Amino acid sequence: EAEVAQSPRYKITEKSQAVAFWCDPISGHATLYWYRQILGQGPELLVQFQDESVVDDSQLPKDRFSAERLKGVDSTLKIQPAELGDSAMYLCASSTQGRTEAFFGQGTRLTVV
Amino acid sequence: SQQGEEDPQALSIQEGENATMNCSYKTSINNLQWYRQNSGRGLVHLILIRSNEREKHSGRLRVTLDTSKKSSSLLITASRAADTASYFCATDWNSASKIIFGSGTRLSIRP
Repeated sequence: EAEVAQSPRYKITEKSQAVAFWCDPISGHATLYWYRQILGQGPELLVQFQDESVVDDSQLPKDRFSAERLKGVDSTLKIQPAELGDSAMYLCASSTQGRTEAFFGQGTRLTVV
Repeated sequence: SQQGEEDPQALSIQEGENATMNCSYKTSINNLQWYRQNSGRGLVHLILIRSNEREKHSGRLRVTLDTSKKSSSLLITASRAADTASYFCATDWNSASKIIFGSGTRLSIRP
């Protein structure tokens, strides 16, 4: 069964360092989402791609976060510099164009120390 | 900011009982979905109900939608230990398939 792949599963980094997360969506899924989930809360949408184009990044802290999906397939989310408050689960999801049922990866658990 | 709010925040029931969770949202929607999340894992899609539907079933799940009250409920019948998880409602309301999640209900099933 096709899955959304994310790496790494866990990441510990010191504050002020740079960190990057990778996501490979299900093949053929044009829509890709990055969410941040703080423990005990619901996922918060950071950025949404349609193919290689950003559809929504209104909640992305652009002073330190960046996201790209250069060839419209896999995607990278970067934080530079990391802050203590960035500690959270970062979830990637994908869906087929025109449908909103999203398939999620296992997430990357980020701890900033 | 989150579109949906689930109620209750936490629910603990005996195995075999039914569990009901509610979701309220703020704006008009295209679809409402429910997802399950086991501890520390990704979310799994459970069911989607469209704005022109009032009720939908899938196995032991029953979802209702009341657009006049901007609310939905998820009923899990004959609960099992494996149903222990967090449950989130999610809404989309624009043409770009932007999905916004609520705050979730943590469900615990006691053996």
